[in-house]
Amino acid sequence: QKEVEQNSGPLSVPEGAIASLNCTYSDRVSQSFFWYRQYSGKSPELIMSIYSNGDKEDGRFTAQLNKASQYVSLLIRDSQPSDSATYLCVITSGTYKYIFGTGTRLKVLA
Amino acid sequence: DADVTQTPRNRITKTGKRIMLECSQTKGHDRMYWYRQDPGLGLRLIYYSFDVKDINKGEISDGYSVSRQAQAKFSLSLESAIPNQTALYFCATSGPSWGGTPDTQYFGPGTRLTVL
Repeated sequence: QKEVEQNSGPLSVPEGAIASLNCTYSDRVSQSFFWYRQYSGKSPELIMSIYSNGDKEDGRFTAQLNKASQYVSLLIRDSQPSDSATYLCVITSGTYKYIFGTGTRLKVLA
Repeated sequence: DADVTQTPRNRITKTGKRIMLECSQTKGHDRMYWYRQDPGLGLRLIYYSFDVKDINKGEISDGYSVSRQAQAKFSLSLESAIPNQTALYFCATSGPSWGGTPDTQYFGPGTRLTVL
């Protein structure tokens, strides 16, 4: 079992819809969770960080964390074509290690 | 100006050549990392450094070496490049771990390396 699992996609949604991206992880003691957006050939850029169970909202983005189920998700409301990218789920293990998922490719159709 | 810079941005080289990739940051972070990214794989850690005197191997350090010349500079070297080291390389920085919780990482723009 991979340490961080994401559906590779592509996940296609129409413009204006809600995109839901999911991630499961295997390390029960992970404490920090991040979502990064990566455009093709570019570097990852931070979208959201979340550290405790529940929801965290920032603009059109909502991160949801459920540590009991080892599940973290990212919702993108009012999806725009510019949101088309690969979204990386990242968890931490211990005090220094960051474990990256392989990413979900999102396509927002105009 | 970007907080984390990498040079060169693109490099094509031949098998057996020595290559150095450089990373500089103005974020004031002590922690710096080198990753490589291959299609279909997540980012994999090559080396990391918590300060100038603390350098550690990551999960795929074979064939690579690093140098932390200053708090703000962290270089990655391929002593004798081989084709399977063709990849996208990223430098990243982060602040200290607070209460055992690692801080957010910030990435440089990447170096696309091709080894023929």
